[in-house]
Amino acid sequence: KNQVEQSPQSLIILEGKNCTLQCNYTVSPFSNLRWYKQDTGRGPVSLTIMTFSENTKSNGRYTATLDADTKQSSLHITASQLSDSASYICVVSQMDSNYQLIWGAGTKLIIKP
Amino acid sequence: NAGVTQTPKFQVLKTGQSMTLQCAQDMNHEYMSWYRQDPGMGLRLIHYSVGAGITDQGEVPNGYNVSRSTTEDFPLRLLSAAPSQTSVYFCASSLAGGNYEQYFGPGTRLTVT
Repeated sequence: KNQVEQSPQSLIILEGKNCTLQCNYTVSPFSNLRWYKQDTGRGPVSLTIMTFSENTKSNGRYTATLDADTKQSSLHITASQLSDSASYICVVSQMDSNYQLIWGAGTKLIIKP
Repeated sequence: NAGVTQTPKFQVLKTGQSMTLQCAQDMNHEYMSWYRQDPGMGLRLIHYSVGAGITDQGEVPNGYNVSRSTTEDFPLRLLSAAPSQTSVYFCASSLAGGNYEQYFGPGTRLTVT
């Protein structure tokens, strides 16, 4: 069964610290992997999209990695800010499937001052 | 550009009532979709459209109808509301499928009593 699992479910860190969120998937055949940021009460916003051949992709203080062999991805946030408090969602797209995105349940990140 | 807009932002329905959630985009995107988001779960695809006049079912289509008469608009109709349809609904659009980024609207919070 196609699944995307994220860990941890929730995380609390102090402002200025770094953190890493994990994503494991069993989606096949793989097309791309996306990370979204979702603020409370808002729609998801795309952070990165990585294809099979991309190992690392950065967007400001966000760096995503992809290991297509082990089917794992991580999102590293550097020097966290209060505005980073949000849910971070990992999404995997299936190849040859018109619009099939498999969504993880997300990691809820809270940054404390 | 306004991006993806959704109305209403909040709605309370009684069981058995019908209503239409509106979604519009001004980016000339071909692909549009509707998702629902429930606590502790990933987003689930309800219906999607790959262009005007073309719609298809997603993972959880029962109880919902869609139509796509124009590129810009993609309304979602609840035929006979049930408490199980209490959720947050998101509309999204993208230029095409594959590796293209999805843009989300602000969401509609629906409560069915």
